Amino acid sequence: DAGVTQSPTHLIKTRGQQVTLRCSPKSGHDTVSWYQQALGQGPQFIFQYYEEEERQRGNFPDRFSGHQFPNYSSELNVNALLLGDSALYLCASSLGLAGVRSQDTQYFGPGTRLTVL
Amino acid sequence: GQNIDQPTEMTATEGAIVQINCTYQTSGFNGLFWYQQHAGEAPTFLSYNVLDGLEEKGRFSSFLSRSKGYSYLLLKELQMKDSASYLCAVIASGAGSYQLTFGKGTKLSVIP
Repeated sequence: DAGVTQSPTHLIKTRGQQVTLRCSPKSGHDTVSWYQQALGQGPQFIFQYYEEEERQRGNFPDRFSGHQFPNYSSELNVNALLLGDSALYLCASSLGLAGVRSQDTQYFGPGTRLTVL
Repeated sequence: GQNIDQPTEMTATEGAIVQINCTYQTSGFNGLFWYQQHAGEAPTFLSYNVLDGLEEKGRFSSFLSRSKGYSYLLLKELQMKDSASYLCAVIASGAGSYQLTFGKGTKLSVIP
């Protein structure tokens, strides 16, 4: 049973560039949430996708956008990269919008480490 | 909005017991999670509380008081591998969906 997978593992970009991160949810899950975790901080919620639509969004600018595909996989896009976007980007999957409230139903991927120079 | 507070760092001795506290303020509370995160890795699930009281799972226990907006994670018989960050996270409902909000994490160092 494949867990949550993310690609790439590491990425280095320069300011002003654009980046796309990818996530495949755990088998059987249909909801994907994205988080940004700066060094020494807790993860911060970016947005959540369900049925190919953005359902909830955290306090992030429009430079952060996403997409969910029919197979439930998801992409996170960040435009006009800033130095402050350097962080670990985590994807978490769950079953349905209500699934995330139940114990042990939100699984995290290993993350993508983004460095902006 | 939501606010979650937990100590930044703690140090404890191998074999001892440590309690990591978490206080929160939120609307639409639907449960509280504790996650363990080793450096550079993804958070892994430890416990979930939605009702008041203590949940025990091996060496780890978690307590919740909804009226006080308070939770703690208790780690017994500490091992060196327990050195990690411990994240308190609250589930809150809104607009027909649920959102997980994390605290900044408590970095636990276990010393011999």
